[in-house]
Amino acid sequence: SYELTQPPSMSVSPGQTARIPCSGDALPKQYSFWYQQRPGQAPVLVIYKDNKRPSGIPERFSGSNSGTSVTLTISGVQAEDEADYYCQSVDATGTYVVFGGGTKLTVL
Amino acid sequence: EVQLVESGGVVRQPGGSLRLSCAASGFTFDDYTMYWVRQAPGKGLEWVSLITWDSSRMDYADSVKGRFTISRDNSKNSLSLQMNGLKTEDTAFYYCAKGLPYGSGWGFDSWGQGTLVTVSS
Repeated sequence: SYELTQPPSMSVSPGQTARIPCSGDALPKQYSFWYQQRPGQAPVLVIYKDNKRPSGIPERFSGSNSGTSVTLTISGVQAEDEADYYCQSVDATGTYVVFGGGTKLTVL
Repeated sequence: EVQLVESGGVVRQPGGSLRLSCAASGFTFDDYTMYWVRQAPGKGLEWVSLITWDSSRMDYADSVKGRFTISRDNSKNSLSLQMNGLKTEDTAFYYCAKGLPYGSGWGFDSWGQGTLVTVSS
C-alpha cells in the first residue's frame, strides 16, 4: 500500500525557519496538502495543491514540491505554531487518500 | 460559514454496528466530495472513505472495506457512515470533512469537531 513518510518530530526556536519534509513515490504526479492540528482540535488546512495557501492562513506558511518529496516551510516560527503537521495526498491511481504519519513540531 | 457537525459516536461491543451522521451547512453541499477521516486516541490521521457529489464514486480504506458504507442525502445536506462488524481497532474520533472545489485535488478544506467511537467488550 502507498505510504507518505514524515519525521515524527522536529524542534525549532522562535523566529527560526521550520522545514517539514514528506516523501512519497506518487508525489510527482499527485498534489500534496498539509494540515495543522493543535491538541484537542480538529485539523486545519494550511497548504493545498502543493503550494497554495487558503485564505486566513499566515504568509509564513508555504509549500514546495521537488519530485518525490514535498516540504512545508514555516518562516519566523511563533509559539502558536507548535502543533502536529500532516501531509496528505493520493496514490498514483487516485483511488486511495493517504496521510503521512505526522510531525510534532515543538517551539523551544 | 461552513459547519460540519458529526453525531452518533457511542460505545459498542466488537461485532456490533453503528451509524454516524454529519450535518452540513454554510455551503452548497451537493457541489462537493465528502470524506470520513478517523484518528485513534494519541495517533495519526487515517482516511476512511469518500463519496463524490453525485454518489457515483465511493472509495474505502482497505481497513474498513466490506464493513463500512458511506452515503449522502443531498436533499438533507447530510453525510452518513454505516459501520458494521466493528473491531477494537475501529476505536477513534471520526471526522467528517468537506472536499476542496473541483480542480483543487483530493484534499479537505473544512473539518467537523469529530465524534468518538469506542469499540470494547
